[in-house]
Amino acid sequence: DQQVKQNSPSLSVQEGRISILNCDYTNSMFDYFLWYKKYPAEGPTFLISISSIKDKNEDGRFTVFLNKSAKHLSLHIVPSQPGDSAVYFCAASGQGSGAGSYQLTFGKGTKLSVIP
Amino acid sequence: DSGVTQTPKHLITATGQRVTLRCSPRSGDLSVYWYQQSLDQGLQFLIQYYNGEERAKGNILERFSAQQFPDLHSELNLSSLELGDSALYFCASSVDLSPRRTGYTFGSGTRLTVV
Repeated sequence: DQQVKQNSPSLSVQEGRISILNCDYTNSMFDYFLWYKKYPAEGPTFLISISSIKDKNEDGRFTVFLNKSAKHLSLHIVPSQPGDSAVYFCAASGQGSGAGSYQLTFGKGTKLSVIP
Repeated sequence: DSGVTQTPKHLITATGQRVTLRCSPRSGDLSVYWYQQSLDQGLQFLIQYYNGEERAKGNILERFSAQQFPDLHSELNLSSLELGDSALYFCASSVDLSPRRTGYTFGSGTRLTVV
């Protein structure tokens, strides 16, 4: 049962335009949502997060939107740059089996290609 | 360099064998997480340790085990290896038990190939 879904395996965008990456989740108990970026041969790198009580968080060119009623979040990158080409993972934080401990549940990722 | 060190970077071994993957967390981080990324799969949570104690288990097979040592480094042991165990294994670390706002810091992973 996949609790975090990224339905688009890939996305191509022209440099300077907006990139929109989407993510859906099923578990209403998730309390934070995060986006990670991953380059080949490297580990995922934290990008931006949003609390479940917010609907928007912005950090420079990156903005994450959360729609709790639809259980949907999106990452907007404006303007897109060739260096943004990477795999983007959506993740959700939820309490795991251990008391007081939280783990991240990840989607399968979306490969973003920004074309110069 | 993220500060999380994983060794080895690549490992090729035969079915039925046993391997040990090693992780040194970022300085000051007490929590260590292990994730598996198989082909076309997202990162699957395996297990979490905090300050030497197991704190949470995910989809970890009985053939797999882990531990965190007093110096906080962690090892993931994979035994009776099968072809399907071929994957990228990531270690991540965080200061506390609940890195919800800032997430974990990941290492660059160990690519395991079982032949």
